[in-house]
Amino acid sequence: GESVGLHLPTLSVQEGDNSIINCAYSNSASDYFIWYKQESGKGPQFIIDIRSNMDKRQGQRVTVLLNKTVKHLSLQIAATQPGDSAVYFCAEPPARGSTLGRLYFGRGTQLTVWP
Amino acid sequence: EPEVTQTPSHQVTQMGQEVILRCVPISNHLYFYWYRQILGQKVEFLVSFYNNEISEKSEIFDDQFSVERPDGSNFTLKIRSTKLEDSAMYFCASSPVGNWGYTFGSGTRLTVV
Repeated sequence: GESVGLHLPTLSVQEGDNSIINCAYSNSASDYFIWYKQESGKGPQFIIDIRSNMDKRQGQRVTVLLNKTVKHLSLQIAATQPGDSAVYFCAEPPARGSTLGRLYFGRGTQLTVWP
Repeated sequence: EPEVTQTPSHQVTQMGQEVILRCVPISNHLYFYWYRQILGQKVEFLVSFYNNEISEKSEIFDDQFSVERPDGSNFTLKIRSTKLEDSAMYFCASSPVGNWGYTFGSGTRLTVV
């Protein structure tokens, strides 16, 4: 069943600073996680994903860290820009090795970037 | 970049009325989904659809809901008799075969009055 949850509903950062958005999960069998960004009035947009055989994965200005010991993952955004203001969700599929079907979404963190 | 298109963007309907939400998934995707998001809450899975049939549905997707792929491009969600609690954003998504690379549409905001 669903197990992802986010730590903080809101996060405010200054433009240029780094942002860290956290997500905890409870199912130790979870093996795949996805981060989505949702801008106002739009649908969720894929940012980056990570499998449980990795501890870290980097994209353009974003890094996802996975700590399986404490069942925690984080999304780090470098040099946060006003365009990064959005709600960020972590999500996971329901079953180990599942390749399609439902995703469980966390509740979301509203990131606000101020000048 | 290919998009998932949803229409209408806003729909207001009276309680008890039927509504049909429409989606055009990405053309080479074979898996289609509907999710909903009640204001301020999580994005929740409703149903997945593959090979012209429902492959999975959630407990939310009761007999009031149905999905259809009436032609080669559209994917619809019908709510037969809307209730106030059906008010939400409804998101359509599609993905390629066996790929988690969902693409979501921009959603339809349904308001039941």
